[in-house]
Amino acid sequence: DVKVTQSSRYLVKRTGEKVFLECVQDMDHENMFWYRQDPGLGLRLIYFSYDVKMKEKGDIPEGYSVSREKKERFSLILESASTNQTSMYLCASSPGDWVGEAFFGQGTRLTVV
Amino acid sequence: DAKTTQPTSMDCAEGRAANLPCNHSTISGNEYVYWYRQIHSQGPQYIIHGLKNNETNEMASLIITEDRKSSTLILPHATLRDTAVYYCIVRISGGGADGLTFGKGTHLIIQP
Repeated sequence: DVKVTQSSRYLVKRTGEKVFLECVQDMDHENMFWYRQDPGLGLRLIYFSYDVKMKEKGDIPEGYSVSREKKERFSLILESASTNQTSMYLCASSPGDWVGEAFFGQGTRLTVV
Repeated sequence: DAKTTQPTSMDCAEGRAANLPCNHSTISGNEYVYWYRQIHSQGPQYIIHGLKNNETNEMASLIITEDRKSSTLILPHATLRDTAVYYCIVRISGGGADGLTFGKGTHLIIQP
């Protein structure tokens, strides 16, 4: 029944490390998204992709990059992790025409030490 | 800037109907109203959406005013598991490569 799967539930990384957060969806959705969620700031959009190899910056793309080589997989990359990137990261997918709902993964709680 | 305004928090007794209001006075004609909720430590979950007619599904009912400037999400028989943050979001219909913009939402607490 799982539709959007994030590779890790909890992750601890060191400052300066390159970090990959993986997300896979099994609904053949065109759109995929990465959000981060912080107390008091809510969910903020980092990047989204509307097709394979296509990406668009969201509201807070600085310090992040993404990769979408296959339709079902959308990766968020922290090139050099910093402590201010400690957060809950949420992946989501939706149909291309947005007629239906968006599905979210369970989230990855990343701690950078 | 958030397109919606919701109360910060609300309480409701278990078994009663929970009515969550949302103001969206600047909504455009081609924008839908979506409701999502987020239970603690989980990802957001879709509840319902509508354009101008009232909608009902197995989870909730959505009542949209005739001028579409506000709406109410109704959970008909609230249970303790309905305690969550509820987000009201407006978004254009059809395609568009942009995400959902979440505001602060309403923290609904169901009291036993």
